[in-house]
Amino acid sequence: LAKTTQPISMDSYEGQEVNITCSHNNIATNDYITWYQQFPSQGPRFIIQGYKTKVTNEVASLFIPADRKSSTLSLPRVSLSDTAVYYCLVAAYSSASKIIFGSGTRLSIRP
Amino acid sequence: NAGVTQTPKFQVLKTGQSMTLQCAQDMNHNSMYWYRQDPGMGLRLIYYSASEGTTDKGEVPNGYNVSRLNKREFSLRLESAAPSQTSVYFCASTKDRGDYGYTFGSGTRLTVV
Repeated sequence: LAKTTQPISMDSYEGQEVNITCSHNNIATNDYITWYQQFPSQGPRFIIQGYKTKVTNEVASLFIPADRKSSTLSLPRVSLSDTAVYYCLVAAYSSASKIIFGSGTRLSIRP
Repeated sequence: NAGVTQTPKFQVLKTGQSMTLQCAQDMNHNSMYWYRQDPGMGLRLIYYSASEGTTDKGEVPNGYNVSRLNKREFSLRLESAAPSQTSVYFCASTKDRGDYGYTFGSGTRLTVV
């Protein structure tokens, strides 16, 4: 399973764009990249998933360079409610049962 | 839809006591999972059930047992609770084992004294 590395914490302000980068140098050909968001006292919530290039949904964008050794979750115009822990996961569909959530990135948004 | 429902939400046990954590999903998902999350840590997989009738160990299965009662329900049992099992337990489900769109429950906060 590909090991991921994320910053432990990040701070930003309301209205700013926030980019959280995840490194996964040993990503395998069959691996997908998935991001989750977790608020205090809640279970993680699926945000976005991608394989290569760029994926966008109503919540976020995911940028994946050609070598796929890293990925960047982009949150546009954050608000206080985006304060949460964000997890980057890398695994193949066939190994979904062995997905490991790392410690994630604790994002704090200030007024 | 309720999604994934876990009971109880909070529980305090004495060392050596047993209990069962209940989980039910109403999304007709095939795969279900139990995770634990210790303070300031990520989630670690305890057990999973790829489909009804099957269960397999995850990363940290020692001290736990599971039962996939039917397609909807997946329970986690602690036979003899230990302080090291103090944690928040999350149940999750996905349509299939290879689907990363996990839906998580709201968790059970368990304290073993």
